[in-house]
Amino acid sequence: DAKTTQPPSMDCAEGRAANLPCNHSTISGNEYVYWYRQIHSQGPQYIIHGLKNNETNEMASLIITEDRKSSTLILPHATLRDTAVYYCIVRVAGSNAGGTSYGKLTFGQGTILTVHP
Amino acid sequence: DTAVSQTPKYLVTQMGNDKSIKCEQNLGHDTMYWYKQDSKKFLKIMFSYNNKELIINETVPNRFSPKSPDKAHLNLHINSLELGDSAVYFCASSQAGGLNIQYFGAGTRLSVL
Repeated sequence: DAKTTQPPSMDCAEGRAANLPCNHSTISGNEYVYWYRQIHSQGPQYIIHGLKNNETNEMASLIITEDRKSSTLILPHATLRDTAVYYCIVRVAGSNAGGTSYGKLTFGQGTILTVHP
Repeated sequence: DTAVSQTPKYLVTQMGNDKSIKCEQNLGHDTMYWYKQDSKKFLKIMFSYNNKELIINETVPNRFSPKSPDKAHLNLHINSLELGDSAVYFCASSQAGGLNIQYFGAGTRLSVL
């Protein structure tokens, strides 16, 4: 799986958009970008994923650059409950039976997002 | 109705003891995982089971023995607990193939004294 780089921490005012960047310059053509978050004392939570097109769901938007070497997770109207560690993960989708990367999520250090009033 | 549930939520025990953590998922998934989050908050995969078959074993000491009685359950048994085993253990599940989006339990905080 390709390595990702994220800023260690970011701040955002409540109600404003939170834009979390992720660099993945060694991404392969068949690797997806996934975002998970972990709110304090909870398990990680899936947010969104994308391959090359921009994606939006009820939680967030994902913008992937044309060369796919970086992406940005956007929380359009951050709330205090969005304070969490956000992880950007790059991996091949699909199973790889017998392969060592089968289903594995490799978490980096992530970005600690603090939303303040 | 919790999708991935772990028990117990907290586990405090003495060094040398043997303990088990249970995990159940009601999502109909065929793949389950155990992750460990240490005191520095690094999350790392330990095991993965697909249809009750061990798929991933990430150089975990053999004191840790996962057991999957069926696709909906993956339990973790730990023998001869050591201080360094203190961590939060997360169970997760997913449907193999496709995007393999994983759903996590709330975690079990293990403290070895």
